[in-house]
Amino acid sequence: QSALTQPASVSGSPGQSITISCTGTSSDVGSYNLVSWYQQHPGKAPKLMIYEGYKRPSGVSNRFSGSKSGNTASLTISGLQAEDEADYYCCSYAGSSTFVIFGGGTRLTVL
Amino acid sequence: QVQLQESGPGLVKPSQTLSLTCTVSGGSISSGDYFWSWIRQHPGKGLEWIGYIYYSGSTYYNPSLKSRVTISVDTSNNQFSLKLNSVTAADTAVYYCARASQHDYFDYWGQGTLVTVSS
Repeated sequence: QSALTQPASVSGSPGQSITISCTGTSSDVGSYNLVSWYQQHPGKAPKLMIYEGYKRPSGVSNRFSGSKSGNTASLTISGLQAEDEADYYCCSYAGSSTFVIFGGGTRLTVL
Repeated sequence: QVQLQESGPGLVKPSQTLSLTCTVSGGSISSGDYFWSWIRQHPGKGLEWIGYIYYSGSTYYNPSLKSRVTISVDTSNNQFSLKLNSVTAADTAVYYCARASQHDYFDYWGQGTLVTVSS
């Protein structure tokens, strides 16, 4: 099964909002409310930012929010800060044959 | 606070078996609430799920790697392990262990360990 589709890069200025899309199929994103998002800084392990589509783990800023429409999930970051510059990956449960599928990743640049 | 730490050789020869262990601290693998996972990241590339294991020994693998992968658990030492056989240069990657909530999200990760496949 192919990876979920994310834009290779997005950018925004400090204080702005950006949205990263994650497009799957009716077999993964479209069928389950089980999309998660991860932030990865260079040389570091990924960090969970959103789970089950829109839920934030304790300690994650409320500037991060998640949503879904059909086969596409989205991560929105509002009030961009320099520290948000990182790679972001989406991930979805994909059923009892494939189980887990990641997106290809999006590099966020804060201008 | 749950912590995971990968360990194992950083260099493996082609055709041999890659073996890594993840030691879990701050929580019990046997708690039954989580799946224990391996994920890898090729240099400069995205994340690839390898598989996960439940404390009972039930395993779930990425179909594309299933023929070469074995994940096992050692509850007495609070560890789980990855074996990937018949490796090639394409298996060179940073390997992460992580805790998964059911089949869902990965909330705790190890720091990752780079494994290079080369003669």
